[in-house]
Amino acid sequence: DIQMTQSPSLLSASVGDRVTLNCKASQNIYKNLAWYQQKLGEAPKLLIYNANSLQTGIPSRFSGSGSGTDFTLTISSLQPEDVATYFCQQYYSGNTFGAGTKLELK
Amino acid sequence: QVTLKESGPGILQPSQTLSLTCTFSGFSLSTYGMGVGWIRQPSGKGLEWLANIWWDDDKYYNPSLKNRLTISKDTSNNQAFLKITNVDTADTATYYCARIPITIAAYFDYWGQGVMVTVSS
Repeated sequence: DIQMTQSPSLLSASVGDRVTLNCKASQNIYKNLAWYQQKLGEAPKLLIYNANSLQTGIPSRFSGSGSGTDFTLTISSLQPEDVATYFCQQYYSGNTFGAGTKLELK
Repeated sequence: QVTLKESGPGILQPSQTLSLTCTFSGFSLSTYGMGVGWIRQPSGKGLEWLANIWWDDDKYYNPSLKNRLTISKDTSNNQAFLKITNVDTADTATYYCARIPITIAAYFDYWGQGVMVTVSS
């Protein structure tokens, strides 16, 4: 089974900050990675697929990068509405989610 | 407009079988490449993928739960189903269904609102 490790588990940042979230796969998953945002009490929302493709309707301040085992989600300028938990998901072999990074305002 | 909505029993007892229904609109599971997946989330915890079903009736299961899961679909009525046998308290969670837009990349682009299921004696 492929394991996904996200870091950090908790991130505090200020409005306007550039924020970087990390996701590491236990084996090569090429670019078979998605990122989701989940706000409190809501279903997850797809942000990024195929490691760096922005889902329709998602603000351009969100971007994804990486391939192989190491991936990054970047928010170029943090907004208050970005407070949420972010999950990565591999779909190279079955599906596995990371444990999530909770993003809060400092 | 793509929408999905889950329904389930709300509460059930240990050892019973959990039956979940996903009713969707805006797409068809008879369309080439399309799929639906089930994912669950215990309160305050992370996401756990359970199973996927595809337009051609191909099915994939989480290996750790495979012997307890059955996924199926009713294409004519735009529904997908998940059964989990022999539930226990660890199966208490919010259960989501979600659309998979393409066979070669099983990410989930639209999600239902989720249905809470409690297993309790």
